[in-house]
Amino acid sequence: QVLLTQSPSASASLGASVNLTCTLSSGHSNYDIAWHQQHPDKGPRYLMQLNSDGRNIKGDGIPDRFSGSSSGAERYLVISSLQFEDEADYYCQTWVTGMQSVFGGGTHLTVL
Amino acid sequence: EVHLVESGGGSAQPGRSLRLSCAVSGVTFRDSAMHWVRQAPGKGLEWVSGISWNSGSSDVADSVKGRFTVSRDNDKDLVYLLMDSLKIEDTAFYYCAKGRTFNGWTLESWGQGTLVTVSS
Repeated sequence: QVLLTQSPSASASLGASVNLTCTLSSGHSNYDIAWHQQHPDKGPRYLMQLNSDGRNIKGDGIPDRFSGSSSGAERYLVISSLQFEDEADYYCQTWVTGMQSVFGGGTHLTVL
Repeated sequence: EVHLVESGGGSAQPGRSLRLSCAVSGVTFRDSAMHWVRQAPGKGLEWVSGISWNSGSSDVADSVKGRFTVSRDNDKDLVYLLMDSLKIEDTAFYYCAKGRTFNGWTLESWGQGTLVTVSS
């Protein structure tokens, strides 16, 4: 069964860029994933679907500062020109089987 | 604009039942799969259940199997989560989310959640 691994925390400076990583478990490097953002005490927000070939399918209104890339079993969320409002939790998600899905543990991003 | 509004949360004792509802507007409801995701206090997101556009396929997480049932009413644009035999560890915010496609796993729209508290 596919598993997703994320670092618990990350930090970067205001105006800089940051790469958040989601790693697919062995044997599942061809899986597509989705990235979601969640601010404290808010519901999650869909950012994009990131395919194994690197194609991004963004949600409505997601700024161009947010992009994704893929390399092997790694899926990256790249946020450029960091804003304080980007400080949030970021989750990756993928399909398991049938109608089942799974989330990574999430990464808390701090903007310094 | 798509709107998802959950309702039905509240307090319940262990062993009791609750039914959550999610009303969807601003989109053709019957074209999309629907999912439930929960988040325990201070924890990450946990997928709970999913149902295809025509109810032909559905699944629940192992942690709730045999206790939770998902259903939908395409005439009323509603999706439900019936939670039986509630346990203390079911305490969480419950979010409904819309899949991108008929059987889609990509959750492209989310509600604001409803809180379920299970305690004696």
